Amino acid sequence: SQTIHQWPATLVQPVGSPLSLECTVEGTSNPNLYWYRQAAGRGLQLLFYSVGIGQISSEVPQNLSASRPQDRQFILSSKKLLLSDSGFYLCAWSGEANYNEQFFGPGTRLTVL
Amino acid sequence: KNQVEQSPQSLIILEGKNCTLQCNYTVSPFSNLRWYKQDTGRGPVSLTIMTFSENTKSNGRYTATLDADTKQSSLHITASQLSDSASYICVAHGTGGGADGLTFGKGTHLIIQP
Repeated sequence: SQTIHQWPATLVQPVGSPLSLECTVEGTSNPNLYWYRQAAGRGLQLLFYSVGIGQISSEVPQNLSASRPQDRQFILSSKKLLLSDSGFYLCAWSGEANYNEQFFGPGTRLTVL
Repeated sequence: KNQVEQSPQSLIILEGKNCTLQCNYTVSPFSNLRWYKQDTGRGPVSLTIMTFSENTKSNGRYTATLDADTKQSSLHITASQLSDSASYICVAHGTGGGADGLTFGKGTHLIIQP
């Protein structure tokens, strides 16, 4: 069966520090991968989308970047965090079956102070 | 512009009671509609996916309905349990909703009281 992992689960970082969040998927190959941010009282916002290794689409201009160094690994990064980067970050994957149903990871709670 | 509106924003009911959550969407062209359950501090988990040709779909005590003509969906929870306390997110899938094709609602926060 497929599983999706994210780490760390929680993170507290000072403004201006770098960021690296990791997401890995097991049990499937060539998945579509997504990074979302969920702010309090708001819906999920798509940040990045990847259909394959090295292929990244950015949905919104921001202080963040994403990379996909391996088929089942998706990394969210920042060189210098802003206060507005605080939020709940979710990684998700989808495949060809069942209308590209998305499966979400457990999330990372990021607090920038 | 694609939009998904959910109501109510929050809801408190007693354990054992039924409830219905509403979702109105404007996504065109429309492909399917999804309901997710999200426990606090966790990732969303899929409950149902319905295409435009499906009117109802059940998953245990959860029953989703879809009216593609009026662009409305509902999620009915029967005999609520404490573990149903969560946010319920309605998501419409259409080709105009961004790279993932999805437009997310803000969710209904449901609290089940003993």
